[in-house]
Formats: sequence, C-alpha cells, structure tokens
Amino acid sequence: SAVISQKPSRDICQRGTSLTIQCQVDSQVTMMFWYRQQPGQSLTLIATANQGSEATYESGFVIDKFPISRPNLTFSTLTVSNMSPEDSSIYLCSERTGPDTQYFGPGTRLTVL
Amino acid sequence: QKEVEQDPGPLSVPEGAIVSLNCTYSNSAFQYFMWYRQYSRKGPELLMYTYSSGNKEDGRFTAQVDKSSKYISLFIRDSQPSDSATYLCAMSPYNTDKLIFGTGTRLQVFP
Repeated sequence: SAVISQKPSRDICQRGTSLTIQCQVDSQVTMMFWYRQQPGQSLTLIATANQGSEATYESGFVIDKFPISRPNLTFSTLTVSNMSPEDSSIYLCSERTGPDTQYFGPGTRLTVL
Repeated sequence: QKEVEQDPGPLSVPEGAIVSLNCTYSNSAFQYFMWYRQYSRKGPELLMYTYSSGNKEDGRFTAQVDKSSKYISLFIRDSQPSDSATYLCAMSPYNTDKLIFGTGTRLQVFP
C-alpha cells in the first residue's frame, strides 16, 4: 500500500487568511486527488492534480478558492484561500495506483474562526 | 437522490458478532467498488476492493457486489472491538478516476 503524508495535521485559522496543505507520497504517481470531508457528509472530490498540467476542478470548486500545485510526481499542495468558517473541514489528499485501489493521507483538520 | 446511499448508523454489536454493512447505488456504470475503514481522526484506509460483480474474501472480511440490485455489502466475521470505526463504501465507473463515496456507517463493537 502507498504511504502518504500531509502537513499540517491540523490548524486553526482566522477568517480571511489562507492555508497551504502539503501532500507527499512515497512513489511516483501520475494522478493525485484532493478531497474534503465535512462532518456527517461524504468525502467530496475537490480536484484532480496531474503533474505538468492544470488541476481539474469538480463542480462547486474553483481555482481561485482552492489553487493546487503539482511540481513533481510525488508532491502536491492545496491552498484554501480567503477562508470562512464554512471551510472548516478535513482535507485529504489521495493517490490512485490502479482502477480499483486508491489510498488516502491522514488528513488535515482545519478550523476557521 | 444521492448516487450512493449508506446508512450512517451507529451500528452497535457485541464482540464476536457477524456485521453486515451495506450500500446501494443508482449509477449502473459503476464498475469498481471499494470499502474503506476510518478510525477517528485518521484518514480512510483501503480495506477491500472488487471489480464488477461477485464476492471477495480477505481474512475476516468479505465484500459482495450485486450489480443487478445495485447493492454492495461488507461482512465482518468474529468482530472485534478494534473493528470499531466508520466504514465507507466508494465506487467509480470504468473510465473515470472519480470515486463517489457513501456517507459512512459508524460501527461500535463492544466487549
């Protein structure tokens, strides 16, 4: 199985600020994914990050709010911009090594005051 | 209607019981089916994965897919207190990378 790490593991931020979450995987992968997990709700895909191209965002998520970088095959960042309390959530990065196997990082627990 | 429905529980069972966790779905294009276990304050851990219909067994865990009924199940035999977690089903069509998740079922196994 894949080993995925995220930084920070948790943070408390003020409204209007931005936070960048880092994700590191232990092997080179083409596609990485960013998900959001809100209390009592399903994991929701924010965007797919391919190395060397612009991220692809799901409906309801935009690049200005959630800019993503993918500088190489083992690393990605997600920024949550101009935060509001509604952005309080767990943010998870993920990699898919095959059509039927997808692994997740431990998550970043974000609280916006 | 959500694409994937999952009873949120909580489901509380005694140690040693057989646990049945289920999801229903509406999209007949789903081909890949996964079960994740998520402990509190941790990321989801891939538990089982299956392609199309049929059964798959791994130790105390059995995953079943019934595509005709659009219904998937995860069975846990001889449940242990360490199995207490939230179990998430996830699925995707053949030619996409997007996983659709259920909301998760919280399982509590008491000694």
